[in-house]
Amino acid sequence: DTEVTQTPKHLVMGMTNKKSLKCEQHMGHRAMYWYKQKAKKPPELMFVYSYEKLSINESVPSRFSPECPNSSLLNLHLHALQPEDSALYLCASSQFGWRGGGSETQYFGPGTRLLVL
Amino acid sequence: GIQVEQSPPDLILQEGANSTLRCNFSDSVNNLQWFHQNPWGQLINLFYIPSGTKQNGRLSATTVATERYSLLYISSSQTTDSGVYFCAVLKTSGSRLTFGEGTQLTVNP
Repeated sequence: DTEVTQTPKHLVMGMTNKKSLKCEQHMGHRAMYWYKQKAKKPPELMFVYSYEKLSINESVPSRFSPECPNSSLLNLHLHALQPEDSALYLCASSQFGWRGGGSETQYFGPGTRLLVL
Repeated sequence: GIQVEQSPPDLILQEGANSTLRCNFSDSVNNLQWFHQNPWGQLINLFYIPSGTKQNGRLSATTVATERYSLLYISSSQTTDSGVYFCAVLKTSGSRLTFGEGTQLTVNP
């Protein structure tokens, strides 16, 4: 099973709301990723967790707060977002991440479409 | 950082036609993946191909690592092949995938 699941599929939130995106994989992967994708652009890396520890933060604003409660779950907590944060948020996983040299497949979830009003 | 260029940016085909998509990269890589993003946003893995040639049904891919390019071949295209095709690479001893800008493929019936 090479499946990464994400919930919710769609999310509409106001600028004062707090919400969370969830991602889950049961492939035994130890690296998990959050990407942001704007319309007609490629995905942009936001965060990388390696063995449940944050290893890469691509200078993402603090209104985005990642969390990795265990090796199968990845959350992205959202607070005080701006309309320009509206995008498709993609979660991905891979077996070892940079610890394995990176020579491996990243598997992506279906994404959460976020609209900030 | 590593540069990834995909061509053509847009491609319109009639059903049944063949096509070749190209990905050029500026440095040595130990990971190269081709993805298809469908209209619903799902990124579907097509190939993990840092070097060599692979085939999967009507799709095949070739990466010539020494010359820093990869090709994705689509034969007998179908309307369901429509979407954006991304090439993504990981520079040797790098830590993050870098995506190209993608090729928008439209297959008309």
